[in-house]
Amino acid sequence: DGGITQSPKYLFRKEGQNVTLSCEQNLNHDAMYWYRQDPGQGLRLIYYSQIVNDFQKGDIAEGYSVSREKKESFPLTVTSAQKNPTAFYLCATRGRLATYNEQFFGPGTRLTVL
Amino acid sequence: GQQLNQSPQSMFIQEGEDVSMNCTSSSIFNTWLWYKQDPGEGPVLLIALYKAGELTSNGRLTAQFGITRKDSFLNISASIPSDVGIYFCAGQLGYTGANSKLTFGKGITLSVRP
Repeated sequence: DGGITQSPKYLFRKEGQNVTLSCEQNLNHDAMYWYRQDPGQGLRLIYYSQIVNDFQKGDIAEGYSVSREKKESFPLTVTSAQKNPTAFYLCATRGRLATYNEQFFGPGTRLTVL
Repeated sequence: GQQLNQSPQSMFIQEGEDVSMNCTSSSIFNTWLWYKQDPGEGPVLLIALYKAGELTSNGRLTAQFGITRKDSFLNISASIPSDVGIYFCAGQLGYTGANSKLTFGKGITLSVRP
């Protein structure tokens, strides 16, 4: 079954704990992105990666970290430095660079920090 | 960061009616994308536009890339109950690097009365 997988769907953490959100894709897409969505808001870019072992900060990278050790995987860590971590997190991928502009989204992970 | 302008925040229409949504920007984009999001799910790509003035259809959906490259509209004809959801516009400058990131509007929540 092809596509983008995000797990888990719902995640609860205590304040002060780091948490890692998973994003896996089997589309063979080069670029991967992490967005954050808050109620009534559009999506805001956290980090993106165009190739393995390379990633760049987006508009709201503070308090987050990522890695891209494999083409298929782009995990996002929400650290204790993130002041308002409760949100809906969306991972997206894009096909071959310089060819396609469409980004496709995974099902999302809703993180709640208690 | 910049956001695209989508208004109103909510729209209520009768089943069978047509509806049009507009998206504007203070700066130009070279790609416009329209997404639909159901509650608790990731956005699904509806239409992608690549050329100023381009008019593209996808079933009952029609979207246009504004000639100034600063706006786009989406039209839904003969609405049905499953059209309910949040509709986002997104703009993109280019294929690679920071230009590849999507800038989103806040979305329009569409309700369809049977």
